[in-house]
Amino acid sequence: DTEVTQTPKHLVMGMTNKKSLKCEQHMGHRAMYWYKQKAKKPPELMFVYSYEKLSINESVPSRFSPECPNSSLLNLHLHALQPEDSALYLCASSQVWDRGIPEAFFGQGTRLTVV
Amino acid sequence: AQKVTQAQTEISVVEKEDVTLDCVYETRDTTYYLFWYKQPPSGELVFLIRRNSFDEQNEISGRYSWNFQKSTSSFNFTITASQVVDSAVYFCALADDSGNTGKLIFGQGTTLQVKP
Repeated sequence: DTEVTQTPKHLVMGMTNKKSLKCEQHMGHRAMYWYKQKAKKPPELMFVYSYEKLSINESVPSRFSPECPNSSLLNLHLHALQPEDSALYLCASSQVWDRGIPEAFFGQGTRLTVV
Repeated sequence: AQKVTQAQTEISVVEKEDVTLDCVYETRDTTYYLFWYKQPPSGELVFLIRRNSFDEQNEISGRYSWNFQKSTSSFNFTITASQVVDSAVYFCALADDSGNTGKLIFGQGTTLQVKP
């Protein structure tokens, strides 16, 4: 069983809706990530949090708003999305990279459909 | 610039065959890390292995083995005696030490189908 839990597993939302994706880990990791994966493509990094602070934003549109309320939780707030934002959204966590780049552990993802 | 190439888009084998998934990477950094992940239909990426650029020792874990060759910038993955449960998309990924970001650069993935 994965130790990174994402909810919901599936989400259908309209273009005017506001929704949130949630991610939780209990491995004591202090780095957390959001990736976006389109069908038959590799994951693409969106955001990185290190010690609960945003350290990377890969030029993601403002309709995606991340939040890291504590070391175990990571949220992705969604507002006014477009149909092309439909994808699998993956959360991951890892130790921080003060001793090299560690492996990241991924959740099962949220399959998002924007209608 | 960093890049990972997985030239094999899809591979189909019959159960019990051995199969090798190729991965070629590009980076200008001397310190970097290579990873393999498995993505079954459920969607989760399952971590398989991490290797740093200073450790060229090959590794074996059960039916899985990895061949890291810096001279050819390759990090290939072999499954011995494949099983139906090995059917998945396999990603090779690269991260370097320069930005201290933990960012992974993924290859395009290889879809492996193991038929009974």
